[in-house]
Amino acid sequence: EPEVTQTPSHQVTQMGQEVILRCVPISNHLYFYWYRQILGQKVEFLVSFYNNEISEKSEIFDDQFSVERPDGSNFTLKIRSTKLEDSAMYFCASSPQGPSYEQYFGPGTRLTVT
Amino acid sequence: ILNVEQSPQSLHVQEGDSTNFTCSFPSSNFYALHWYRWETAKSPEALFVMTLNGDEKKKGRISATLNTKEGYSYLYIKGSQPEDSATYLCASMIKAAGNKLTFGGGTRVLVKP
Repeated sequence: EPEVTQTPSHQVTQMGQEVILRCVPISNHLYFYWYRQILGQKVEFLVSFYNNEISEKSEIFDDQFSVERPDGSNFTLKIRSTKLEDSAMYFCASSPQGPSYEQYFGPGTRLTVT
Repeated sequence: ILNVEQSPQSLHVQEGDSTNFTCSFPSSNFYALHWYRWETAKSPEALFVMTLNGDEKKKGRISATLNTKEGYSYLYIKGSQPEDSATYLCASMIKAAGNKLTFGGGTRVLVKP
């Protein structure tokens, strides 16, 4: 069964460094998402991406964040200058169509900023 | 700010018993409600997407209902089994917010043999 994959599973970085989190969505899906969960808090939406552009973003998704689909398979989240408060589990998801369709989540990347 | 709440936060259920728990969400501009099942160290897995008031959906022993006018959804587990132990997340989507899902805090279910 097709699944969403994410790499790395755990990333440790120093404050101020740039990180790129990678995701491979399910191949025939059209919508892509990033979420995060800070320890002990709710899962939070970051951004949705469709047709090679951002379709929706949250207040969290400021200029420090960017997303890209550099080729036909990868979907990346870049954090330009990490802060301590960026430490969280980051989930990628994809769906075959839009809002009425279920989203398929990857296993997550745990980002630790020291 | 869209606020989605789930209750209870956690639940202990004896194997074989049935249980249910609640997701509440703002009813205005409602578009869709998602339910996910999340086992420890695994990816959240989609259970249901519900859009219409009065919707009822079923997958095996798990079912869900939706009331969009009053802003709540119930998830039911019939005859709980140890493999049903997981965190159950609901997430709401409103018309004005495109594809943005707003999640509740989850209900953690532990089924005791």
